[in-house]
Amino acid sequence: AQRVTQPEKLLSVFKGAPVELKCNYSYSGSPELFWYVQYSRQRLQLLLRHISRESIKGFTADLNKGETSFHLKKPFAQEEDSAMYYCALLTQGGSEKLVFGKGTKLTVNP
Amino acid sequence: NAGVMQNPRHLVRRRGQEARLRCSPMKGHSHVYWYRQLPEEGLKFMVYLQKENIIDESGMPKERFSAEFPKEGPSILRIQQVVRGDSAAYFCASSPSAGTSTIYFGEGSWLTVV
Repeated sequence: AQRVTQPEKLLSVFKGAPVELKCNYSYSGSPELFWYVQYSRQRLQLLLRHISRESIKGFTADLNKGETSFHLKKPFAQEEDSAMYYCALLTQGGSEKLVFGKGTKLTVNP
Repeated sequence: NAGVMQNPRHLVRRRGQEARLRCSPMKGHSHVYWYRQLPEEGLKFMVYLQKENIIDESGMPKERFSAEFPKEGPSILRIQQVVRGDSAAYFCASSPSAGTSTIYFGEGSWLTVV
């Protein structure tokens, strides 16, 4: 079964502190993973995809197949990073669709 | 390219009424997905459609909910006889083809049932 788990519903850090948002997945095939960000009542925006290994707004995420994880990290959090963050898995074969975790609400305090 | 357009952005319905949510995918996209976001919950997949076909409706409630994506015009998510529990944000997403990782989301339609 495909499943994405984000164990932290809420995460609060101070400005300038490192931040790590956890994501674990369960998928029998070769996973394709994403992080989406949603600012207050706005559309979901793609933040990162693991295949491109890019860094956006200072965020990075590494796929660890051994630990089935795709944690999102940023060394120095900014107040504008406060948002909901969703980890997602693209299922393949047959019906391709994104399966989302429940999200983590990040609050960066001044 | 205007992006994925959803309307209405906000909709208020009384219990028992019908709600219709529309989604126009990005230009050139023929695949549409609907997701529901309940308060304090993540996004739950509802249905995946291509033009004139439902590919996967495994996330759709068995009753009162239906979706279509006609040859011409937007995709419609229809909720009949709404109940308070249907109050949620409904997001539409589109992609140019199957199996692509390029999926774009609309701004959502917020349904409130009073």
